[in-house]
Amino acid sequence: DGGITQSPKYLFRKEGQNVTLSCEQNLNHDAMYWYRQDPGQGLRLIYYSQIVNDFQKGDIAEGYSVSREKKESFPLTVTSAQKNPTAFYLCASSISDSPQRAQYFGPGTRLLVL
Amino acid sequence: GENVEQHPSTLSVQEGDSAVIKCTYSDSASNYFPWYKQELGKRPQLIIDIRSNVGEKKDQRIAVTLNKTAKHFSLHITETQPEDSAVYFCAAIQSGSARQLTFGSGTQLTVLP
Repeated sequence: DGGITQSPKYLFRKEGQNVTLSCEQNLNHDAMYWYRQDPGQGLRLIYYSQIVNDFQKGDIAEGYSVSREKKESFPLTVTSAQKNPTAFYLCASSISDSPQRAQYFGPGTRLLVL
Repeated sequence: GENVEQHPSTLSVQEGDSAVIKCTYSDSASNYFPWYKQELGKRPQLIIDIRSNVGEKKDQRIAVTLNKTAKHFSLHITETQPEDSAVYFCAAIQSGSARQLTFGSGTQLTVLP
């Protein structure tokens, strides 16, 4: 998981503002994921991508958007449509077509609303 | 889709005792079950995993058991230490091409010195 980086560590969003969270990996993993974690709760899947230029909605995609233009990068945009964005956001990656399906997580970005 | 239930939500044990966390899953086609440990404010870290062709796997003080018939799997930590205190998540992988992990809701383990 040391090969996955997220930035920034903390991000502040103003009302009506779109913000983008960065996720980069150098593990040569095909699949990448975005999760949201609220205090004291588990991980909920926002979006995932199995291959470049393709991505799928997870369980809570409303108010979020992603792109996958490069294998190494999977940025997440929190749009103004997301009315309760305060949470800990975790990016993960894995090898898609392999018995080794473990997901490895980045250090996370904590998003706060001003 | 897959549904994973995890119990208990909180668990306190005395240092040196064992801790057991249990998970059940709904999709009989699930075949990969990882466990993650998350310390406060940190990323989840994979600590052990098991595949459906194996009934038990051990790594030092940590073991995982899988009962495919009953669709449940458990994490066992022996000789617990204060540094084992964390939130533990189980997960199961859905069948089909999407291969998304479904996570349990987590167990806050506290090891009392």
